[in-house]
Amino acid sequence: DTAVSQTPKYLVTQMGNDKSIKCEQNLGHDTMYWYKQDSKKFLKIMFSYNNKELIINETVPNRFSPKSPDKAHLNLHINSLELGDSAVYFCASSQRDRGRGYEKLFFGSGTQLSVL
Amino acid sequence: LAKTTQPISMDSYEGQEVNITCSHNNIATNDYITWYQQFPSQGPRFIIQGYKTKVTNEVASLFIPADRKSSTLSLPRVSLSDTAVYYCLVGVSILTGGGNKLTFGTGTQLKVEL
Repeated sequence: DTAVSQTPKYLVTQMGNDKSIKCEQNLGHDTMYWYKQDSKKFLKIMFSYNNKELIINETVPNRFSPKSPDKAHLNLHINSLELGDSAVYFCASSQRDRGRGYEKLFFGSGTQLSVL
Repeated sequence: LAKTTQPISMDSYEGQEVNITCSHNNIATNDYITWYQQFPSQGPRFIIQGYKTKVTNEVASLFIPADRKSSTLSLPRVSLSDTAVYYCLVGVSILTGGGNKLTFGTGTQLKVEL
């Protein structure tokens, strides 16, 4: 069983289109994230939801809109795609370790988005 | 947010011990140090986490000096399958407030050869 699964794995589209990436986790975690990894492998957080509530919203264009229908799902919708949106998008989840005050991130395998 | 600095790349041979050092001079009192491993076409995978001194698990060891301004990930007897990017992160749980977010740098590309 895949703990954090995201679909599709590859997404090729034209500039100006609208696309969605879906993410589901079966770990029972309360917190989910979207990360973006650029061509230089720099991995940056975009959004985070805790129990369906948005808790982190980095300086991401408002063309990107996350949606969390329940705490096991966090989808990412992107409007009016631009060339610069080409990257690998990773979904992740975590559960705070109440004993130590930190969380371990579990990542999906990524969605390679190519905007032509 | 504590910034981390680590080598861009390292090369090693099978069977050797590999030590990757990460500098985090402005680490805060509540910050933890975490290392992740990423293989091509996969998401990062948690390796180890520590606060001070030494932590060891079945995969690696993490050495943290008393001043906590750096940390060293030690991989014993690496194999070809350890070829990956290794990320050092410093921060606290975002769920404890303070606005800290675990942001990954560019990591260290470790290449293991025969």
